[in-house]
Amino acid sequence: GAGVSQTPSNKVTEKGKYVELRCDPISGHTALYWYRQSLGQGPEFLIYFQGTGAADDSGLPNDRFFAVRPEGSVSTLKIQRTERGDSAVYLCASGTDPDTGELFFGEGSRLTVL
Amino acid sequence: DQQVKQNSPSLSVQEGRISILNCDYTNSMFDYFLWYKKYPAEGPTFLISISSIKDKNEDGRFTVFLNKSAKHLSLHIVPSQPGDSAVYFCAASIHGSARQLTFGSGTQLTVLP
Repeated sequence: GAGVSQTPSNKVTEKGKYVELRCDPISGHTALYWYRQSLGQGPEFLIYFQGTGAADDSGLPNDRFFAVRPEGSVSTLKIQRTERGDSAVYLCASGTDPDTGELFFGEGSRLTVL
Repeated sequence: DQQVKQNSPSLSVQEGRISILNCDYTNSMFDYFLWYKKYPAEGPTFLISISSIKDKNEDGRFTVFLNKSAKHLSLHIVPSQPGDSAVYFCAASIHGSARQLTFGSGTQLTVLP
């Protein structure tokens, strides 16, 4: 499809393991965002890419979280030494203009850390 | 400390009537406000936005009102339709940009046929 694609849709892992979540944005979208949504809460900003570079990573909670976008398209969110508190839906969004609210969100990757 | 608050977790409205969803914010630096709609198992979709230089923005059945002095905004849906049943998130940002949005916790709207 032409929308934002996120894989896997569901990921169950054990505490302490390493996890990668992938986001395939809409073709041509230069801006890419990662958000995290915990149960009963709204999405929480993690990181924003403009092209290949992380323009704003102030939302990453700690150094266990890292994201890359090496070719300015697909992005991977990497979580090391997962903790139970990392359990959430990780949402990716893309857009053409970071100065408008026209973010197109994917369906999210649900991460469960046991 | 929640900077964007949606104090009503749920709202039920009869089809054809007006739905009013409310949102309060505490950060006076916010100057751009947005509403998103979310269906189950889908990502949020952009609905409507408003800049702090305006107090009203209208798009079809959807109107957003901004009261800066009260740090309050509301989304009006008229007339409400069953397909409007979804979770509605209020979001805000600084510098008129969508680069870093702060979301509220959402309001589940149910429109009864």
